[in-house]
This record gives sequence, C-alpha cells and structure tokens, in this order.
Amino acid sequence: KNEVEQSPQNLTAQEGEFITINCSYSVGISALHWLQQHPGGGIVSLFMLSSGKKKHGRLIATINIQEKHSSLHITASHPRDSAVYICAVRFGDTGNQFYFGTGTSLTVIP
Amino acid sequence: GAVVSQHPSWVICKSGTSVKIECRSLDFQATTMFWYRQFPKQSLMLMATSNEGSKATYEQGVEKDKFLINHASLTLSTLTVTSAHPEDSSFYICSAREMRLAGGAAKNIQYFGAGTRLSVL
Repeated sequence: KNEVEQSPQNLTAQEGEFITINCSYSVGISALHWLQQHPGGGIVSLFMLSSGKKKHGRLIATINIQEKHSSLHITASHPRDSAVYICAVRFGDTGNQFYFGTGTSLTVIP
Repeated sequence: GAVVSQHPSWVICKSGTSVKIECRSLDFQATTMFWYRQFPKQSLMLMATSNEGSKATYEQGVEKDKFLINHASLTLSTLTVTSAHPEDSSFYICSAREMRLAGGAAKNIQYFGAGTRLSVL
C-alpha cells in the first residue's frame, strides 16, 4: 500500500520562527512535490524534488531517498506563510498517480 | 517554467446546472492530465486520468456520466460537472504531465493547476 504521512497536522508559530514540516512515505518514489494551499483554496507548487535539496527565498526543501523522508523548512516565518502545506508523492511502481499527505496547517502569529 | 492554468478559479452555480472547468498547459504539451477533488479538511483524491484523444480512466466510485472529461488537444482538458448538486461542492484540481527528454533520458514531470472552487447552491 502506498502511503504518505505528514507531520505535524497543525502548527502555530510566532513570526520569525524557523519552521519544519515533515513528509514520510512508504516505498520508493520517482518525484515529490511540496504544495501550498491558501485559505481560499488556491494551490501553488513550491518545489518538485527527486533528490537532494532545493531553496527558494525563505523556503528550503530536502529529501532523503534512503530514509524515504522529505522536509520543508521555512526560515524567518511570516504571517503570510499561513497556509496548508501538502506533500505529494509519485511512487516509482505506479508511475503516474500522485498520492497526497493530509496536509499541515500552519498559522504564523505576528 | 511550465505552467498549468485552471479556469475558473471559483464558480457558484444553481443545483441542476452543469459547470465546465478548463485545465490548460501553457508552454508544453500534456499527453496526460489528472483531475483531483478535495473535500474540506481532506486530502486530494484522484478522480480520473485523462489521455489526449482517448477516453478518461475513472477511479473507483467516480461517476463518469456525472464528471465528463474531454482531452481533445495536447494543451487542454476539461471537466464538466453535469447536473451539479450541493454535494458536488468541492475543490477541483488538475495536473498535467510533461514528458521531456533530459540528458538522453525521458523525464516525467507533473505540474499542478491552482484549483477551482465549486459551490453548488
């Protein structure tokens, strides 16, 4: 069974804090996305990873293929970072279909 | 970079009417597009896989006569919710797959649309 688990489910942070959201999956993958979903529902694709690490502004995403784990980090968090962050994984054996974590709801307090 | 455009971003309709949602790949050809649905506070769930020029493959439990998918060109797939009812109110997201040759190998890359919020009154 292909599974994607995210933690934590909910996270509240003070502005400026360093934030980490985790994603673990059960079998080998061919791609992993981090998505940001705003309160209105709109989805933004933040990163697409198959190995290593990527950085965009205050956001950093890492993936450890051996440990089947990815993390999304937000440095110097800001209230506008408040959103739901979703890990989406395409497993190597299925190829096409993405499986999604249940999301991490982040609230950054000023 | 490659972008997937979804339109409309938000639609409100009366019960019994049909609603069409468009998903376009803007600077690449997408032989395969995927449609997902997300109910409040739940994860995204795959509804169907759409291949250009052929019939869509629906996931178990998804009514193909209610959710009509047309993938008539390499850059456009449409999802039509027919005779919409309040229980169809949801967030619908498409993603498009680009097959690209990179370094001599075929790469399978998928991009997500921003989603469409459907509210049926």
